[in-house]
Amino acid sequence: EPEVTQTPSHQVTQMGQEVILHCVPISNHLYFYWYRQILGQKVEFLVSFYNNEISEKSEIFDDQFSVERPDGSNFTLKIRSTKLEDSAMYFCASTRDRGKETQYFGPGTRLLVL
Amino acid sequence: AQSVTQPDIHITVSEGASLELRCNYSYGATPYLFWYVQSPGQGLQLLLKYFSGDTLVQGIKGFEAEFKRSQSSFNLRKPSVHWSDAAEYFCAVGARSGNTPLVFGKGTRLSVIA
Repeated sequence: EPEVTQTPSHQVTQMGQEVILHCVPISNHLYFYWYRQILGQKVEFLVSFYNNEISEKSEIFDDQFSVERPDGSNFTLKIRSTKLEDSAMYFCASTRDRGKETQYFGPGTRLLVL
Repeated sequence: AQSVTQPDIHITVSEGASLELRCNYSYGATPYLFWYVQSPGQGLQLLLKYFSGDTLVQGIKGFEAEFKRSQSSFNLRKPSVHWSDAAEYFCAVGARSGNTPLVFGKGTRLSVIA
């Protein structure tokens, strides 16, 4: 069964450094998402992406964040200058189409900012 | 604003016992409803979903959930829990229009004892 993959599984970085989290969505999916979960808190939506542009973003997704689909398979989340409060589990998800579609999630990247 | 409440942070049940995990939502209209499970080190796996029709939905691994509009609830049940069911369970809601992000509850951690 096809699945969403994410790399790395864990990332430790220093405050102020840039990080790029990588996702490979399911191959025939067209809509992509990033969510995050701070330890002990809810899974929160960050951004959705379709047709090479952002469809929707939350208030969390400020200028420090950006997303890109650099090729036909990868979907990346970049944090330009990490802060301590960016420490979280980051999940990528994808769906095939609009409407009644299930979002399929990757295993997540645990980011720790020191 | 949309919200999902999972009132139980942690539940412990004996193997073979029945299970019910509670989920209540606040939404402007009838949403799409989902239960996801997360095993340690794994991504979010879809257990089941409700879009329309029969309010009792069956999912994988012997789970079921019942949508009760009058109570704004979508509780997850399993008649006999197995040790492998120990995991974190998340209830989520999504809008019926377009491909909107999911709103998650905080999750319920299930422990299974012999």
